[in-house]
Amino acid sequence: DSGVTQTPKHLITATGQRVTLRCSPRSGDLSVYWYQQSLDQGLQFLIQYYNGEERAKGNILERFSAQQFPDLHSELNLSSLELGDSALYFCASSVVQEVGVAFFGQGTRLTVV
Amino acid sequence: TQLLEQSPQFLSIQEGENLTVYCNSSSVFSSLQWYRQEPGEGPVLLVTVVTGGEVKKLKRLTFQFGDARKDSSLHITAAQPGDTGLYLCAGSTSGTYKYIFGTGTRLKVLA
Repeated sequence: DSGVTQTPKHLITATGQRVTLRCSPRSGDLSVYWYQQSLDQGLQFLIQYYNGEERAKGNILERFSAQQFPDLHSELNLSSLELGDSALYFCASSVVQEVGVAFFGQGTRLTVV
Repeated sequence: TQLLEQSPQFLSIQEGENLTVYCNSSSVFSSLQWYRQEPGEGPVLLVTVVTGGEVKKLKRLTFQFGDARKDSSLHITAAQPGDTGLYLCAGSTSGTYKYIFGTGTRLKVLA
């Protein structure tokens, strides 16, 4: 158990819909990272937050957004969903702003039908 | 743009064989991590290397960080079926908070 909790574990939704994925970092970790993993693209970095502020952006679509709340949990919002958004979405957390060690949650498997 | 290339992409070997997985970049990394990922699970950290030329051992696994901190290798001695999984290198370059992953090496060790 990494200490990073992601909910839900599985999500099935229709195209055009909007979903919210939730992540609770390990106790004491201030940084949260979101990744998308699909079969043909590996782990793609989406976005990082540190203590409530956005720190780095990767290949995150405009239809996607995220935030980190004062209690340090984070949410990833995916809207206008397309079939190609089907993937595993992972959250990771680390203590410091510059990552040296990252602990991953078990992921949310999103299926868009 | 993927900055970390791993090779080989796939590897299938017999139990007891040795193997080496490579992680290469044109950028200098402040540190580099290796993870192993099982199907349907999140990546699990194996090791962190920080200093150029550093070698770390974890039981049958030996990790090396290149002198210029642009590449790394993972060597497994006497592979076992339990070593099967997706091996990923990851890191961030100096001056950026982007933490990126390599393309991955999918290892299968046959009994």
